[in-house]
Amino acid sequence: SQTIHQWPATLVQPVGSPLSLECTVEGTSNPNLYWYRQAAGRGLQLLFYSVGIGQISSEVPQNLSASRPQDRQFILSSKKLLLSDSGFYLCAWSVNGGSEAFFGQGTRLTVV
Amino acid sequence: ILNVEQSPQSLHVQEGDSTNFTCSFPSSNFYALHWYRWETAKSPEALFVMTLNGDEKKKGRISATLNTKEGYSYLYIKGSQPEDSATYLCAFTGGSYIPTFGRGTSLIVHP
Repeated sequence: SQTIHQWPATLVQPVGSPLSLECTVEGTSNPNLYWYRQAAGRGLQLLFYSVGIGQISSEVPQNLSASRPQDRQFILSSKKLLLSDSGFYLCAWSVNGGSEAFFGQGTRLTVV
Repeated sequence: ILNVEQSPQSLHVQEGDSTNFTCSFPSSNFYALHWYRWETAKSPEALFVMTLNGDEKKKGRISATLNTKEGYSYLYIKGSQPEDSATYLCAFTGGSYIPTFGRGTSLIVHP
């Protein structure tokens, strides 16, 4: 069966510090991978998606970047965090050509 | 950016009440519509997937309908229970196969 791992679960970082959130998927090949963010009082906003290794599409211009160094690994990064980067980040995957998203447990990021 | 709207944003009901929420989405280039249930401190979990105009799905006390021509879906909960309290998300998938989520409806069922 397929599983998705996302870490860390919670993170408190100072403004201006770097960020690295990691997500890995097991039990499937060539998945579509996604990073979503829920900011306070808002729904899930798609940040990045990837349909293959090294292929990253950004939905919203921002202070963040994403990379997919391996087929089942998706990393969300920032060189310098802003206060507005605080939120709940969710990694998800779907079957290539499918529509249902399967989510990780999420990371609660607080930038102070 | 696709526009997926959900209403109401939040809802407080009493145990035993029936309730419904709305998801509106683009009526063109439709592939699938998903409903997810998102409980606090957990990951969103899929409730239903609907792909055809007129689809109706049911799971226990929860059901959903789909109208792709006019671009809306309804989620119904019959006889709400406190354990139904959660945020209900809808996600529209078009030809790009990338799910676009609405902001969700937060349901709180009071005992």
